[in-house]
Amino acid sequence: NAGVMQNPRHLVRRRGQEARLRCSPMKGHSHVYWYRQLPEEGLKFMVYLQKENIIDESGMPKERFSAEFPKEGPSILRIQQVVRGDSAAYFCASSPIEGAETEAFFGQGTRLTVV
Amino acid sequence: AQSVTQPDIHITVSEGASLELRCNYSYGATPYLFWYVQSPGQGLQLLLKYFSGDTLVQGIKGFEAEFKRSQSSFNLRKPSVHWSDAAEYFCAVGVSGGFKTIFGAGTRLFVKA
Repeated sequence: NAGVMQNPRHLVRRRGQEARLRCSPMKGHSHVYWYRQLPEEGLKFMVYLQKENIIDESGMPKERFSAEFPKEGPSILRIQQVVRGDSAAYFCASSPIEGAETEAFFGQGTRLTVV
Repeated sequence: AQSVTQPDIHITVSEGASLELRCNYSYGATPYLFWYVQSPGQGLQLLLKYFSGDTLVQGIKGFEAEFKRSQSSFNLRKPSVHWSDAAEYFCAVGVSGGFKTIFGAGTRLFVKA
C-alpha cells in the first residue's frame, strides 16, 4: 500500500507563473489536507477536502490559491501568479475518516521555489 | 484560539544522553495530542499520540510523552538519544469535533558524537 504521493518533489517557477501541486492520498483515504511550511516555521493548515468537496479552506489565502479533489484523480493545489513569498514546502496528508483523533499520513512534500 | 508552543527552536544533545522536548498547548477542551518527526527533505512521521487514558504514552523509536493537564504540556522524552534521531520534531493538537491539526513551530534536534 503506497503512502501519500506528492509530485513534483521540487518545483521552480518564475514570478507570475502558475504552480500545480498534486497529491494522491493513500488507498482507501477520502480525506485530504494541505499544509504549508515556511522556512523555520511549523506547518500551517491550508485546506481540508473530501471527494468533490471543500470542507474547510480557512487557511487558504483569499487570492491566487485554490484546491480541488475530484472524484477521479489526485488532489490539486493551484497557485496562480506566484510570488517570492509563495516559496515554501507544501505538504499533503490523508486520512481514512474524519476526526481530530484520526492520524493523518503525510506525503514527502513539494518544495516550491519562486525565482 | 488553539495554539501549540514549542519553546526550544534548537536543542543539541550528546549521543547516549537523555532528551526532553517541550510542548505546551492552549485548548479549552480535552485535546488530542501528537508528536511528529520530520527528517530533512522528508514528510512527517507520527511518533505517538494521546487521546485519553494513561497519561504516559509510548511511541515508536523508543520515544514516550507525558500529558500533564495541569501544566497544559505534552513533553517528548527519550532516555538515550541515537545519532539517527537528529531531525525536526513537531508537537500538534487535534481540534475536537473538527479536523484541523494545529502544529507547533518545531524543535530541531542536533546530536553530537
